[in-house]
Amino acid sequence: NAGVMQNPRHLVRRRGQEARLRCSPMKGHSHVYWYRQLPEEGLKFMVYLQKENIIDESGMPKERFSAEFPKEGPSILRIQQVVRGDSAAYFCASSPEGFGQPQHFGDGTRLSIL
Amino acid sequence: GEDVEQSLFLSVREGDSSVINCTYTDSSSTYLYWYKQEPGAGLQLLTYIFSNMDMKQDQRLTVLLNKKDKHLSLRIADTQTGDSAIYFCAEGRTYKYIFGTGTRLKVLA
Repeated sequence: NAGVMQNPRHLVRRRGQEARLRCSPMKGHSHVYWYRQLPEEGLKFMVYLQKENIIDESGMPKERFSAEFPKEGPSILRIQQVVRGDSAAYFCASSPEGFGQPQHFGDGTRLSIL
Repeated sequence: GEDVEQSLFLSVREGDSSVINCTYTDSSSTYLYWYKQEPGAGLQLLTYIFSNMDMKQDQRLTVLLNKKDKHLSLRIADTQTGDSAIYFCAEGRTYKYIFGTGTRLKVLA
């Protein structure tokens, strides 16, 4: 009865490196969402994906950030050339098809930039 | 604006009731959610309410919704030390959830 699986749980990168965060949705869920949580703040929406499609990326920074949800495999949030301000917890959520279905969250990836 | 507002802290004694409040902004929000976050963990869905409802009860949890005032509350009956966590309310505008900053609940033994 696996929930939303995210890995790694913790990721440390130096400034300028790339960070790749993975998310496997719950079984039967075809919708994936990424949120970012800065310290002492609530979660902020970044992007909404379905298989092979980005539906809404209005919350993603225009540069350095990208997301995908391929036909096979997990969803990936990719941050290129990381900067200190990218340090945050990144949460993935998934939901099944259908209006009003609640989003279920993973345990997050805590990204630290040195 | 887009803000969902919550008070930052709440402290209660074990066995008392806790009431966590939230105000939201978008009257067209269809669903309103309560999530619980324990240290180092993700968000656990506690309960949610459809906007045409006034109240929903689920075991120790009672959600009250005042649509006119855009006010949502979560009452936890017989609060236990295991309830200590951060509680987030979120308004659901279709798929995009807008979260409050969270209320840190501390339960005193």
